[in-house]
Amino acid sequence: QQQVKQSPQSLIVQKGGISIINCAYENTAFDYFPWYQQFPGKGPALLIAIRPDVSEKKEGRFTISFNKSAKQFSLHIMDSQPGDSATYFCAASRPNDYKLSFGAGTTVTVRA
Amino acid sequence: GAGVSQSPSNKVTEKGKDVELRCDPISGHTALYWYRQSLGQGLEFLIYFQGNSAPDKSGLPSDRFSAERTGGSVSTLTIQRTQQEDSAVYLCASSLEALPSGELFFGEGSRLTVL
Repeated sequence: QQQVKQSPQSLIVQKGGISIINCAYENTAFDYFPWYQQFPGKGPALLIAIRPDVSEKKEGRFTISFNKSAKQFSLHIMDSQPGDSATYFCAASRPNDYKLSFGAGTTVTVRA
Repeated sequence: GAGVSQSPSNKVTEKGKDVELRCDPISGHTALYWYRQSLGQGLEFLIYFQGNSAPDKSGLPSDRFSAERTGGSVSTLTIQRTQQEDSAVYLCASSLEALPSGELFFGEGSRLTVL
């Protein structure tokens, strides 16, 4: 079964708007939470990552918010641009575990 | 090349045939991973290599799937007696070291269609 549940499956946002993608997990042993961005026909690429010792991490227009007690984390894309249109995957891994458990992905479409 | 290279990019085969998918990781990357991406299913871990050995094959769906890595570099994923449910994009990734928080560098994938 999927260890990381991601929602929504897809979303459409206007240029300049905020895109929000949510992920939830059950395994409290997870301690590393990356987000990967995938453009059509390309492989996923690391976008931003967070560990549970911080509640928020920001890189440019991308912010991860982390709620350890709720076992949830989310990606916010501020001032969304057409070039942000892609599929976004959240993921998680445990200490000393080299494999990532991925969410099902969210396809984001930014309308100009 | 600078990135992870996979071939073929597309493969159409008939049910029951064997297929081989190849991955050329980034030079110097000791860890190599295979993931499978099915529509709406996210990325499913298949196998991990550290050097030429595979400490974890737990994600391989059945004994029809096998993989090897030679010279600490190129890896081949082989699917025998392909079934329609094997249709997916097979992604290879490499990382400098097998660290839990190591960044994975993915190739563009091999899209397999089994008729």
